[in-house]
Amino acid sequence: GENVEQHPSTLSVQEGDSAVIKCTYSDSASNYFPWYKQELGKRPQLIIDIRSNVGEKKDQRIAVTLNKTAKHFSLHITETQPEDSAVYFCAASRNFGNEKLTFGTGTRLTIIP
Amino acid sequence: EAQVTQNPRYLITVTGKKLTVTCSQNMNHEYMSWYRQDPGLGLRQIYYSMNVEVTDKGDVPEGYKVSRKEKRNFPLILESPSPNQTSLYFCASSSSGTGGYGYTFGSGTRLTVV
Repeated sequence: GENVEQHPSTLSVQEGDSAVIKCTYSDSASNYFPWYKQELGKRPQLIIDIRSNVGEKKDQRIAVTLNKTAKHFSLHITETQPEDSAVYFCAASRNFGNEKLTFGTGTRLTIIP
Repeated sequence: EAQVTQNPRYLITVTGKKLTVTCSQNMNHEYMSWYRQDPGLGLRQIYYSMNVEVTDKGDVPEGYKVSRKEKRNFPLILESPSPNQTSLYFCASSSSGTGGYGYTFGSGTRLTVV
C-alpha cells in the first residue's frame, strides 16, 4: 500500500517568515495530494490540494508543489502569522479521490511572534 | 448546518466490553471513513466506505468492524476492545468525484480502554 513520509516533525519560524513542509509518497499511481490543518484540540480541515496533472497550486499565502518524478510534494506558507500555528498533515490517494487516503505523520508548526 | 456528528466524544471502557461509536453525516456524502490518531503516527485509516453496503479495509482494520446500511450512518464497532485501541478516533465524509472534495471530519471520540 501507499506510504507517505513527512518532514520535519516540528518546525518553528519567526512571524513573517516562510515555512516549508515536505512529503514523499511511495505509490506511483497516487494522483491526489491534499493538505490538512489541525489546530489544537480541533478536527483536521482541508486547506489546499493538488492533482497529479498540475505542478503547482496557490491560494493566497499557501502554495503546494508536486514533483511526480521524485514522488515528492511540498507545502509552502509565506508571511506566516500566529494563526498558522497548528499541525499540518499531507496525504495521498489514487483515483483523484478520498476513498483510500493515506496521511503523513504530521508537522507541528509554531509561529514565534 | 452541514456536519459530521460522532458520539460519544469521550469514552472510558474496560477490556473486552463491546462498544459502538456512532457517526452520522447530513451532507448526502457517498464516502465515509474512520481514522485513528495517535501521537507520532498521524492519522491512520481503519475502514472506508464508498457507498451503502460498500466497505473496505484501510491500513489498520484489525479489531474493528463497520457497517454502512444507510448512506448517512457509518458506525465503528469494537467487539472486544483492548488497551492498544486507546486512541482519538475521527469519522469523516466527503463527496465522491475527482478531487477538490476534502473530507469533513467529525469532532472526534477519545477512547480509553483500561
